Amino acid sequence: DSGVTQTPKHLITATGQRVTLRCSPRSGDLSVYWYQQSLDQGLQFLIQYYNGEERAKGNILERFSAQQFPDLHSELNLSSLELGDSALYFCASSVVLNTEAFFGQGTRLTVV
Amino acid sequence: GENVEQHPSTLSVQEGDSAVIKCTYSDSASNYFPWYKQELGKGPQLIIDIRSNVGEKKDQRIAVTLNKTAKHFSLHITETQPEDSAVYFCAAQDLGGSYIPTFGRGTSLIVHP
Repeated sequence: DSGVTQTPKHLITATGQRVTLRCSPRSGDLSVYWYQQSLDQGLQFLIQYYNGEERAKGNILERFSAQQFPDLHSELNLSSLELGDSALYFCASSVVLNTEAFFGQGTRLTVV
Repeated sequence: GENVEQHPSTLSVQEGDSAVIKCTYSDSASNYFPWYKQELGKGPQLIIDIRSNVGEKKDQRIAVTLNKTAKHFSLHITETQPEDSAVYFCAAQDLGGSYIPTFGRGTSLIVHP
């Protein structure tokens, strides 16, 4: 167990809907990363937060947004969902910016 | 930005054999190279890492080597066991710059008993 908690584990929703994925980092970790893992795409970096501030953006669609709250948990919001958004979404956390990242178990999103 | 290539995409070995997975990176600023193991239905788990001031690091049956000049690094697993079967990801990261781990596309390792 990495200490990173993601909820829910599974999510099935219809096209056009909006969902929120939640991540609780390891105790004391200030940095949170979000990654998308599709079948043949590997781990694609979406966005990083550090101590409540957005730190870096990757290939994140405009329909997606995220935030990190004062208690350091983070939420990834996905809206106007499309079939192609079906994937595993992982959250990772690290103590500070330049230390190793630990991953949660992921949220499997299925858009039907 | 950083680009990480990982080979092979699939590796099938017999129990007891060695397995080698290779990665190359493009950004010479990258100085931290972690390896993750992802078992079915689970998140990636850090198994070993190496920093650019070190050429090799070992931890029991796994080892990682780094060639900074050639910009490539490898994961070596000796005496493979069925429980080593998983997807392995390499990553490269600049701990003094962007701080974002860039991952390879993964290697599915299958160890046959």
